[in-house]
Amino acid sequence: GDSVTQTEGQVALSEEDFLTIHCNYSASGYPTLFWYVQYPGEGPQLLFRASRDKEKGSSRGFEATYDKGTTSFHLRKASVQESDSAVYYCALSQQGTGSKLSFGKGAKLTVSP
Amino acid sequence: EAAVTQSPRNKVAVTGGKVTLSCNQTNNHNNMYWYRQDTGHGLRLIHYSYGAGSTEKGDIPDGYKASRPSQENFSLILELATPSQTSVYFCASGPGGNNQAPLFGEGTRLSVL
Repeated sequence: GDSVTQTEGQVALSEEDFLTIHCNYSASGYPTLFWYVQYPGEGPQLLFRASRDKEKGSSRGFEATYDKGTTSFHLRKASVQESDSAVYYCALSQQGTGSKLSFGKGAKLTVSP
Repeated sequence: EAAVTQSPRNKVAVTGGKVTLSCNQTNNHNNMYWYRQDTGHGLRLIHYSYGAGSTEKGDIPDGYKASRPSQENFSLILELATPSQTSVYFCASGPGGNNQAPLFGEGTRLSVL
């Protein structure tokens, strides 16, 4: 079945550091890929999505590029802030399944001032 | 404003008891979903629905039932709660089309003692 792999469970950075959170997927065809962010006590909220090879999604300084060749959708931000501390989830939806998502295990980002 | 509302927000139940988690959406979305969130597992799909009267099994349906009596409401039912069902539960709603991002509620924290 379809799956999403996130290798970093916890990421600890200082303000203005560069962020990379890795996301690889296993799925047939062209799934839609998503990044969600979850702040403490809240539900996950959409950061952005991408549906086609080489498409870049971006929001709030975060970005990721859909790469079908390497089956990846890595999240990056050039300069993190303390307010970016949250859990980040990579997810996919397969064509024909509407908005039914398969999630990775999530990466908890902690940014220190 | 688009919203997914879950009730209760916190619940303590006894082993063997019946638990019902409720979800209401005002987004006029066809699809609704129940996920559970556990450390090390991310978000896993329990049940979902394509519309009133429909329920489908997700990836981890054992021990759970679902009910969709109307477009707006989707319930998750634990007939005989067990301590292994202690978790945070999230409801989401989404349009029926491809590539659409579901909107999540704020979660219900369930403890089964």
